[in-house]
Amino acid sequence: DAKTTQPTSMDCAEGRAANLPCNHSTISGNEYVYWYRQIHSQGPQYIIHGLKNNETNEMASLIITEDRKSSTLILPHATLRDTAVYYCKYYGGSQGNLIFGKGTKLSVKP
Amino acid sequence: GAVVSQHPSRVICKSGTSVKIECRSLDFQATTMFWYRQFPKQSLMLMATSNEGSKATYEQGVEKDKFLINHASLTLSTLTVTSAHPEDSSFYICSAVLAGPTFFGPGTRLTVL
Repeated sequence: DAKTTQPTSMDCAEGRAANLPCNHSTISGNEYVYWYRQIHSQGPQYIIHGLKNNETNEMASLIITEDRKSSTLILPHATLRDTAVYYCKYYGGSQGNLIFGKGTKLSVKP
Repeated sequence: GAVVSQHPSRVICKSGTSVKIECRSLDFQATTMFWYRQFPKQSLMLMATSNEGSKATYEQGVEKDKFLINHASLTLSTLTVTSAHPEDSSFYICSAVLAGPTFFGPGTRLTVL
């Protein structure tokens, strides 16, 4: 499984931006960076993905460094409902057999 | 985004009975679906890859005769837990891929008494 490194946990104040980092130094040129999250007792949820350009959707923004060895997921105005475990993955094509590590447990506090 | 549903969302059964869980891709076709299991406070564990029209591929350590997978159509995969025992109690989640991103079902909580 492609290895990524994420902090074990992070706290964020409600209404502030949550910036979640991920290192993926062994990513190859045709592999995309994907972010998923799992809220307690729910199935994981796809958030966003990108190749090398920064991406933004209704949920989050994804900033990928120029060398593509790391990225940051940004939740611009975190809410209590954003409390979840966030997973950073990278793969090419339509790989579905994802192996999940520990991810980052984000706690959004009032 | 694409929607994947699971049914039932929660099931309680007696030891020794069989339980069937359905996974459907509602707005897209999925040649391949995946089944995961998650125990409390642990990460998802991939159990098997469900292939439409062919046999499922199981991960090491997953008993294929206990966890029967059928991928009957491009929008439906079923997981049957046969002769369930209390140690099979877990959160079962399916997923399907659509052009890159993987979309997950909401999960099925199985409790075996």
